[in-house]
Amino acid sequence: GAGVSQSPRYKVAKRGQDVALRCDPISGHVSLFWYQQALGQGPEFLTYFQNEAQLDKSGLPSDRFFAERPEGSVSTLKIQRTQQEDSAVYLCASSSDRSEPQHFGDGTRLSIL
Amino acid sequence: AQSVTQLDSQVPVFEEAPVELRCNYSSSVSVYLFWYVQYPNQGLQLLLKYLSGSTLVESINGFEAEFNKSQTSFHLRKPSVHISDTAEYFCAVSYILTGGGNKLTFGTGTQLKVEL
Repeated sequence: GAGVSQSPRYKVAKRGQDVALRCDPISGHVSLFWYQQALGQGPEFLTYFQNEAQLDKSGLPSDRFFAERPEGSVSTLKIQRTQQEDSAVYLCASSSDRSEPQHFGDGTRLSIL
Repeated sequence: AQSVTQLDSQVPVFEEAPVELRCNYSSSVSVYLFWYVQYPNQGLQLLLKYLSGSTLVESINGFEAEFNKSQTSFHLRKPSVHISDTAEYFCAVSYILTGGGNKLTFGTGTQLKVEL
């Protein structure tokens, strides 16, 4: 079956531009997570949705980062006024239940020039 | 707060040799434990998981990991590696978030390089 789909796979933006990253989770998965993976590091938690409700956003690094999941399916991570330190791979994951493992997409590699 | 320590950033090993990738965690509550594998330019793939029950868990491609509560470890082992096992391996722990989700905390990863 289809896995977690993320688009675009690669995004290059100039410093100060706004970007939007899309995640399409596995059908029926109620939980959706965003992670940020810097070069040579493990992924770090950004935010979590249960259906359309954003229940935890403690990992968002600044108020320039915003995530939404309005209909409880597709999610968008938006970064406003991008900075060079935002360059990273952004991973999306979904799971069907809190005791089930998370399934990851291939990520979006964001480069800020 | 939880943390995960992967003691080795790189592990070179010859093909058909055994390998152990070390993982230690700290947590004040019960956790779930996972190993994920990441190939270049790809996302993470679940390798194996420990939720409860038997402390020894196995994957379909020959990897195994043992949960040791007293040593707070979850080391990954394979008795004979193959070239195709070359990848980055991440250990992760999870605990229940407010609202029921399970946030993953990852180690910094171990690059396994299998050589001929």
